[in-house]
Amino acid sequence: RKEVEQDPGPFNVPEGATVAFNCTYSNSASQSFFWYRQDCRKEPKLLMSVYSSGNEDGRFTAQLNRASQYISLLIRDSKLSDSATYLCVVPSGSARQLTFGSGTQLTVLP
Amino acid sequence: DTGVSQNPRHKITKRGQNVTFRCDPISEHNRLYWYRQTLGQGPEFLTYFQNEAQLEKSRLLSDRFSAERPKGSFSTLEIQRTEQGDSAMYLCASSFGLESYEQYFGPGTRLTVT
Repeated sequence: RKEVEQDPGPFNVPEGATVAFNCTYSNSASQSFFWYRQDCRKEPKLLMSVYSSGNEDGRFTAQLNRASQYISLLIRDSKLSDSATYLCVVPSGSARQLTFGSGTQLTVLP
Repeated sequence: DTGVSQNPRHKITKRGQNVTFRCDPISEHNRLYWYRQTLGQGPEFLTYFQNEAQLEKSRLLSDRFSAERPKGSFSTLEIQRTEQGDSAMYLCASSFGLESYEQYFGPGTRLTVT
């Protein structure tokens, strides 16, 4: 089993839609989680941190279910500018290196 | 610009040549990471520095790869005798403190080995 698994998509949604991405992780000892956003041929950028049961920032909501080892990202009222790849990330190891899922590609259509 | 910078942004080299990439982290960040990303995949961890000490290396980092951070500021990643399988985006990230997990990435160096 991969350490971090994501639904690869792609997700093609119309503007204004609500879309949710799922992610599962294998290390039950993990305490913090991140969603990064990566635009085509650009570097990943931190979108949200999740340290407890969840986090909300404007149109974005991240939820954590420790019992199921499951993280989700909900985007409400999708904008064209939300089109990107969303990476689920779990820190691991003594170096706190980031373990990334393979990403979920989102395209918001006009 | 006070973010992480990387040079060069693009590198095309022939198989068998050596290449070196540079990363300048955010100035107050004491932790520096190198990752590699191939098409359709998330970044994969290569190595980690805390100040000038290289404390962790992934098994992905073969003996053809070497990284340094001599003064605890910028870092270099060298690949010797490049192979076509080394073609990837090489990303550098930095972080501050011993407790924070948040890392900030540079724009990457895209390596193409022909």
